[in-house]
Amino acid sequence: DAGVIQSPRHEVTEMGQEVTLRCKPISGHDYLFWYRQTMMRGLELLIYFNNNVPIDDSGMPEDRFSAKMPNASFSTLKIQPSEPRDSAVYFCASSFRQGRNTGELFFGEGSRLTVL
Amino acid sequence: QQPVQSPQAVILREGEDAVINCSSSKALYSVHWYRQKHGEAPVFLMILLKGGEQKGHDKISASFNEKKQQSSLYLTASQLSYSGTYFCGTEDNTGTASKLTFGTGTRLQVTL
Repeated sequence: DAGVIQSPRHEVTEMGQEVTLRCKPISGHDYLFWYRQTMMRGLELLIYFNNNVPIDDSGMPEDRFSAKMPNASFSTLKIQPSEPRDSAVYFCASSFRQGRNTGELFFGEGSRLTVL
Repeated sequence: QQPVQSPQAVILREGEDAVINCSSSKALYSVHWYRQKHGEAPVFLMILLKGGEQKGHDKISASFNEKKQQSSLYLTASQLSYSGTYFCGTEDNTGTASKLTFGTGTRLQVTL
């Protein structure tokens, strides 16, 4: 399996522009997570899906952020409009639930976003 | 709420041992441990599910004290390849949610 695939790997944009990050989870996994990592705040959970359904989006910073999972093999995280404070590495991760607990998370390589 | 890790950073000489602690204010169902090298994605090390459970992975092992809501990661006879930032991830013991919240991270550097 190719693992979790994220695109783009790097994105530089100007404040006010729309940014779309993409993720393809590992086939057969039923959970998908979006995390944001910064030096100040560490790894923050933004939103996660179970079987394509959003379960908890309480970590989404504000209405400028939205995420979708139209099918089991694709998810997007959109920021509109983007602001300099959104600059971070955004990770997508997927897992296969094992009984009650979340299984091992497999992370993509991340999308490094810089908003000027 | 984010679990708290200690220490924040540690420097070791190759062959020395280290302990990294993870503490939560909530009742926990499971604890994950991950290692992240600079510029890379976090990589899974192990999951602990039961109170007092211990697991091992080569020379890295961990314990989980459910009552104290704490977990510790033990690195013995450290190797240069152990360098990186270690994160614990906790899953709350509430409902059936599978929300994994990561700790503040512990930066480990192993030197010759």
